[in-house]
Amino acid sequence: AQSVTQLGSHVSVSEGALVLLRCNYSSSVPPYLFWYVQYPNQGLQLLLKYTSAATLVKGINGFEAEFKKSETSFHLTKPSAHMSDAAEYFCAVRDAGGADGLTFGKGTHLIIQP
Amino acid sequence: EPEVTQTPSHQVTQMGQEVILRCVPISNHLYFYWYRQILGQKVEFLVSFYNNEISEKSEIFDDQFSVERPDGSNFTLKIRSTKLEDSAMYFCASSGISSSYNEQFFGPGTRLTVL
Repeated sequence: AQSVTQLGSHVSVSEGALVLLRCNYSSSVPPYLFWYVQYPNQGLQLLLKYTSAATLVKGINGFEAEFKKSETSFHLTKPSAHMSDAAEYFCAVRDAGGADGLTFGKGTHLIIQP
Repeated sequence: EPEVTQTPSHQVTQMGQEVILRCVPISNHLYFYWYRQILGQKVEFLVSFYNNEISEKSEIFDDQFSVERPDGSNFTLKIRSTKLEDSAMYFCASSGISSSYNEQFFGPGTRLTVL
């Protein structure tokens, strides 16, 4: 069974600082990987996805993530944090199949300090 | 831009009652999903639906749950006899052949409160 590990249930950074949210997966074959963001009292919005086309993936709102097969990681980064980035971030994985559900990590709550 | 919609946004019910949560997926999508998120916990997959039948379901999706696509636009999740532990946010999602690499688009969720 697939699993996703997000290190750090809470991450706090200063406004303007680098954001790094960690995600490691376990899968027997290279999966599809996703980062979703959830703002308070809202649904899930896709930030970016890895689909084997390129290992460095750029998403919305200045976020990007790098797929590293040797490390089974897909960490999310943003060079300069903004107050509006405060939210819950979920890493998710799925195998290459049409009907498979996503397996989510436990989420990381990003706190931005002024 | 097309989006997944869900109704109601909040449902309160008594334990033992039946509830139906409704979703309207994006119109040309073929794969439909339900997920739930208990307060403070991670999002969990419940069930996927394709070609008018269940494709995959998790261990959470027991006999109390059922899904249906009653017409060409709606996708419903029914909980037959609700329990306190069914209180959660329920998200519907959809994806289609045209969605690159099966990206799933999520609705805003229905918050179910079981008293």
